Amino acid sequence: EAGVAQSPRYKIIEKRQSVAFWCNPISGHATLYWYQQILGQGPKLLIQFQNNGVVDDSQLPKDRFSAERLKGVDSTLKIQPAKLEDSAVYLCASSSRDDRGKGYTFGSGTRLTVV
Amino acid sequence: QKEVEQNSGPLSVPEGAIASLNCTYSDRVSQSFFWYRQYSGKSPELIMSIYSNGDKEDGRFTAQLNKASQYVSLLIRDSQPSDSATYLCAVNGRYGNKLVFGAGTILRVKS
Repeated sequence: EAGVAQSPRYKIIEKRQSVAFWCNPISGHATLYWYQQILGQGPKLLIQFQNNGVVDDSQLPKDRFSAERLKGVDSTLKIQPAKLEDSAVYLCASSSRDDRGKGYTFGSGTRLTVV
Repeated sequence: QKEVEQNSGPLSVPEGAIASLNCTYSDRVSQSFFWYRQYSGKSPELIMSIYSNGDKEDGRFTAQLNKASQYVSLLIRDSQPSDSATYLCAVNGRYGNKLVFGAGTILRVKS
């Protein structure tokens, strides 16, 4: 079973620029999560999708962050415009209905540096 | 009060010793508890899950849960230098399947 795929692995941008990250979940997994992990902190949930619908985006800074999962499979997370404090690793994870309560597997992440 | 709290460490133990990592959580209705290991520059890796009060053993790892005290711990026996990493405690949130993470404890095993 292929794992969660993310790209790019690394991205360096200047503040006020825009950036997009891509995630392809494990095949058949209906739930997809985007987490932000700032250096020295634990991952923080930004948005949770169930198929192509948003379940939880309470911690997503909606003035600059957006995410979509149009066909209920892969997802993109966008930041526009980026701020210095957005420098972090952006982690994607997925889970199936059978995995409920069992934790989930993360992708390798995208490390964003905003200069 | 943070939802999931961990001592940031670093916790330093000699090779072969038992490392004890602790975590407290605030939501009494949480049902599922997890320990993730994260090496520097890598993504978190699930190593243990526990759902019932008591102990759960898997190889050198033992997870302990006390729901009355809202306390979860991870014991690593015969610690090895390769165990040096950040250990993240995660708790199932009240709604949905989302996990809420603590800030992690840095473990250093000295040879």
